[in-house]
Amino acid sequence: GEDVEQSLFLSVREGDSSVINCTYTDSSSTYLYWYKQEPGAGLQLLTYIFSNMDMKQDQRLTVLLNKKDKHLSLRIADTQTGDSAIYFCAERGSSASKIIFGSGTRLSIRP
Amino acid sequence: DGGITQSPKYLFRKEGQNVTLSCEQNLNHDAMYWYRQDPGQGLRLIYYSQIVNDFQKGDIAEGYSVSREKKESFPLTVTSAQKNPTAFYLCASSDTGSGHQPQHFGDGTRLSIL
Repeated sequence: GEDVEQSLFLSVREGDSSVINCTYTDSSSTYLYWYKQEPGAGLQLLTYIFSNMDMKQDQRLTVLLNKKDKHLSLRIADTQTGDSAIYFCAERGSSASKIIFGSGTRLSIRP
Repeated sequence: DGGITQSPKYLFRKEGQNVTLSCEQNLNHDAMYWYRQDPGQGLRLIYYSQIVNDFQKGDIAEGYSVSREKKESFPLTVTSAQKNPTAFYLCASSDTGSGHQPQHFGDGTRLSIL
């Protein structure tokens, strides 16, 4: 079945770039998403990329998609303490009615 | 402002009791979803509905029930048959169709056992 995998933890120094990686299995994915979850809250859509694109940039966020390797990454430039959260990768696959979520990567920022 | 409202924010259940979690949206979305979130396990789909008066089971529907009598509302009942209900429950909604249709989330309900 469809699966999305992410590493569980990432720690970066304040001001450095963070890179969160994700792999997925569904070769018919149409859209891929990055969501952010702060403690005790729901998921907030950060950005998305269509499967025929390689890269998308939105202010401090850069999404890279390698469709051949089914690999998605989110780069956060100049990471700040407010970026501390759980980041979820998700893909909309062949069943357009559902989105498959990864297990989330907890990003922590050290001074 | 348009959005999704989940209530209550915290809920406690006694043994053998059914409890109902509310989810209301004013985004005019056709589709609505319920997820369960446990630490380190991401989101697991419980039920979803793409149109009023119709819904489908997700990956972990056992011990849960839903109804979709109105477009705006998709309540989730956690029944006594759900033996491990302690979790964070998230409701989401989206437009339907094959285009870019991201899911928008409420702020969640945390359910605990007394």
